[in-house]
Amino acid sequence: QKEVEQNSGPLSVPEGAIASLNCTYSDRGSQSFFWYRQYSGKSPELIMSIYSNGDKEDGRFTAQLNKASQYVSLLIRDSQPSDSATYLCAVRPSYGNNRLAFGKGNQVVVIP
Amino acid sequence: DGGITQSPKYLFRKEGQNVTLSCEQNLNHDAMYWYRQDPGQGLRLIYYSQIVNDFQKGDIAEGYSVSREKKESFPLTVTSAQKNPTAFYLCASGPIGGYEKLFFGSGTQLSVL
Repeated sequence: QKEVEQNSGPLSVPEGAIASLNCTYSDRGSQSFFWYRQYSGKSPELIMSIYSNGDKEDGRFTAQLNKASQYVSLLIRDSQPSDSATYLCAVRPSYGNNRLAFGKGNQVVVIP
Repeated sequence: DGGITQSPKYLFRKEGQNVTLSCEQNLNHDAMYWYRQDPGQGLRLIYYSQIVNDFQKGDIAEGYSVSREKKESFPLTVTSAQKNPTAFYLCASGPIGGYEKLFFGSGTQLSVL
């Protein structure tokens, strides 16, 4: 079982719509969860972090965490062409000396 | 400005050659990491270090080596034993602590001639 899984393929959304991304993780003891955005050929940049069950909102981004079901999601409201990127889910497992485990990412394409 | 500097941005390796990727940070972070990213894939951990003169293997350490002689520096050597080295290499650093994020360098694209 992979530590972090992001299974859905490329997501195309019209401009102004909501993009929804999901991520599941295997280590029930994980405490820290992050969403990074990565443009092609660039390094990842942190857009959201979440540590407690529930929703956390920051501008057009909302992260949702459900530890009982071991999933974390990201909603992008009012999607803009500049949101077109790959979104990486990252989890800090309870083992493993402070490292982050990453999913393979979900590509989002916002269509004007 | 504080940050993480990776060099070079592009690197080409000849068969049988060892190459070294540089990573320097001035954020005073204790922990440093090397990740490899293949097209359409997530980040896979190669090596990490939480303190000077100590480092641990990640998930794909074979064919790579590192050193941590200074807190600010964590160079990665891709040896000739790594048969498929073409990838985007990312260096990251962060404070020690379960709730802290990672800061990334701008990456090095390594290709085989």
